[in-house]
Amino acid sequence: NAGVMQNPRHLVRRRGQEARLRCSPMKGHSHVYWYRQLPEEGLKFMVYLQKENIIDESGMPKERFSAEFPKEGPSILRIQQVVRGDSAAYFCASSPLDGTGMNTEAFFGQGTRLTVV
Amino acid sequence: AQSVTQLGSHVSVSEGALVLLRCNYSSSVPPYLFWYVQYPNQGLQLLLKYTTGATLVKGINGFEAEFKKSETSFHLTKPSAHMSDAAEYFCAVGGGSSYKLIFGSGTRLLVRP
Repeated sequence: NAGVMQNPRHLVRRRGQEARLRCSPMKGHSHVYWYRQLPEEGLKFMVYLQKENIIDESGMPKERFSAEFPKEGPSILRIQQVVRGDSAAYFCASSPLDGTGMNTEAFFGQGTRLTVV
Repeated sequence: AQSVTQLGSHVSVSEGALVLLRCNYSSSVPPYLFWYVQYPNQGLQLLLKYTTGATLVKGINGFEAEFKKSETSFHLTKPSAHMSDAAEYFCAVGGGSSYKLIFGSGTRLLVRP
């Protein structure tokens, strides 16, 4: 059973470009979470999605950031018009179906390290 | 509301010595507590977790942690450090109806030969 798969592992973008980060949850998991880790800091919650639904995006910046988890395919975190301050590691986690699983069974991917130059 | 404080951003121990990484939490609901380890340029791996029941929790790689409600602590220990334990360790809190995990800022463990 493959773990949470994120790609790319490393992404370099120039200021003003778009960044697309992909996350395939573990098989059987329908809940996806995105976290951001700034250098020398812990992880900060961004958004929680179920298939075709955004459940909680309270941690997402109001502008330029969006997330989706379509019926088919991976979850996508999209950052438009990137700025230097977006440089960070972005982690995806998934949990199984029962909704309360996040508290007990969060599995993290290896992250995408975004560098904005 | 929930929060986590990890005391000491860097901890250095000799190989074979006791490892103690401190974590204090704040939670208005019964907490679920977690320790994760992160190796350089890697994701987070769950070391151990406390949800309910026994307050002394054993995890992988010889680590354990004790939930002390009166002290609002969940310190991580290992009797004898190994070079391979060098990594960053994160304490996190969840619980109640919250699906979010709130992470501490991390403690980097250095193991000296």
